Amino acid sequence: DTGVSQDPRHKITKRGQNVTFRCDPISEHNRLYWYRQTLGQGPEFLTYFQNEAQLEKSRLLSDRFSAERPKGSFSTLEIQRTEQGDSAMYLCASSLNPTGASEKLFFGSGTQLSVL
Amino acid sequence: AQTVTQSQPEMSVQEAETVTLSCTYDTSENNYYLFWYKQPPSRQMILVIRQEAYKQQNATENRFSVNFQKAAKSFSLKISDSQLGDTAMYFCAFMNRDDKIIFGKGTRLHILP
Repeated sequence: DTGVSQDPRHKITKRGQNVTFRCDPISEHNRLYWYRQTLGQGPEFLTYFQNEAQLEKSRLLSDRFSAERPKGSFSTLEIQRTEQGDSAMYLCASSLNPTGASEKLFFGSGTQLSVL
Repeated sequence: AQTVTQSQPEMSVQEAETVTLSCTYDTSENNYYLFWYKQPPSRQMILVIRQEAYKQQNATENRFSVNFQKAAKSFSLKISDSQLGDTAMYFCAFMNRDDKIIFGKGTRLHILP
């Protein structure tokens, strides 16, 4: 399977706990994106990377959220001290971005987070 | 800041009919990309169609076509000969020169047998 892979598919946690999600993009893709989606809403941009560099982080994102892409391959998204409002689907996407040309995004199946 | 507006929260049409989903956007940029994504109940996001703003010709992909009106900042999706498998959430999306995609809130489309 050469698509975008996300792990885990589902995560249930108690309020106050830390959680970490992983995304493995398509191997040659240099752009990696994280989105959050609540039921009935469109995906909301969180952050994105060009190789290992984090290009932008949404102003809506609190300091409890952090993302890394240490070697320019897989990425992790960590949420510290989770709150019930963090319950959502977390989507990862990747694209090949040669010389500034925009290419389409390929999405993973997402990680569904439930905070109790 | 760019925004994407989908004014139809939900639509229903009979199988084999044609349906048009509306989308408007706001941007001060001249070069950008527009997309329609489909999200079935599995919640996997699937690219339906893509349009480059510098191209005047409307994009088509089989039964899917767009009506891109750059001056009006409008980007509607037409689905011809609708099929039961077209039932899904449809998201209009805008990509700026920084390659960040902004999504609308979506239109839930039901194809009725």
